[in-house]
Amino acid sequence: RKEVEQDPGPFNVPEGATVAFNCTYSNSASQSFFWYRQDCRKEPKLLMSVYSSGNEDGRFTAQLNRASQYISLLIRDSKLSDSATYLCVVNDPGGSYIPTFGRGTSLIVHP
Amino acid sequence: EPEVTQTPSHQVTQMGQEVILRCVPISNHLYFYWYRQILGQKVEFLVSFYNNEISEKSEIFDDQFSVERPDGSNFTLKIRSTKLEDSAMYFCATITGVNEKLFFGSGTQLSVL
Repeated sequence: RKEVEQDPGPFNVPEGATVAFNCTYSNSASQSFFWYRQDCRKEPKLLMSVYSSGNEDGRFTAQLNRASQYISLLIRDSKLSDSATYLCVVNDPGGSYIPTFGRGTSLIVHP
Repeated sequence: EPEVTQTPSHQVTQMGQEVILRCVPISNHLYFYWYRQILGQKVEFLVSFYNNEISEKSEIFDDQFSVERPDGSNFTLKIRSTKLEDSAMYFCATITGVNEKLFFGSGTQLSVL
């Protein structure tokens, strides 16, 4: 199975900090990419899709680097409420369409 | 926003017993999935379901597991003879089409004693 790799962390940052996560994927033919947020014992929730041109949603910026096969998530001005696990999801093409999850990166934002 | 509904939210069972986890997908979605997440570990793919049949399954999805869509509405995961290592959170997820985002149910926490 194709792999999706993330640094599990935890990333421990103060409020207001900027933090960045990377995610690498092994299948160069992968077509769509997402960042999900997961709170403890809850379901993953979509944070943002990742587009080839990069995209921004408020304090969150996602980028895709196809040549190096990684996606990134940048969080600016971290809030306490940003504390969660951030999951990278990669959708592979082909007849069997299986969104594949990285193991997640844990973020802890402290006062 | 439309929701994927899962029941029950918690299920406690004895080893060797059968359990059925239920999911009601969003009505116009085409692809259905079951994932599981053991505490502290990654979200793992179990099985995908499209056009009323299994399209792919992982190595976790052995003969003890089965899925069906009995009435065109519910999408169920059955574990025939549960093992201790089946204890996990089980998530149902659906999408409208390829390259679209996953919509998750709130999960069923299965505890096998």
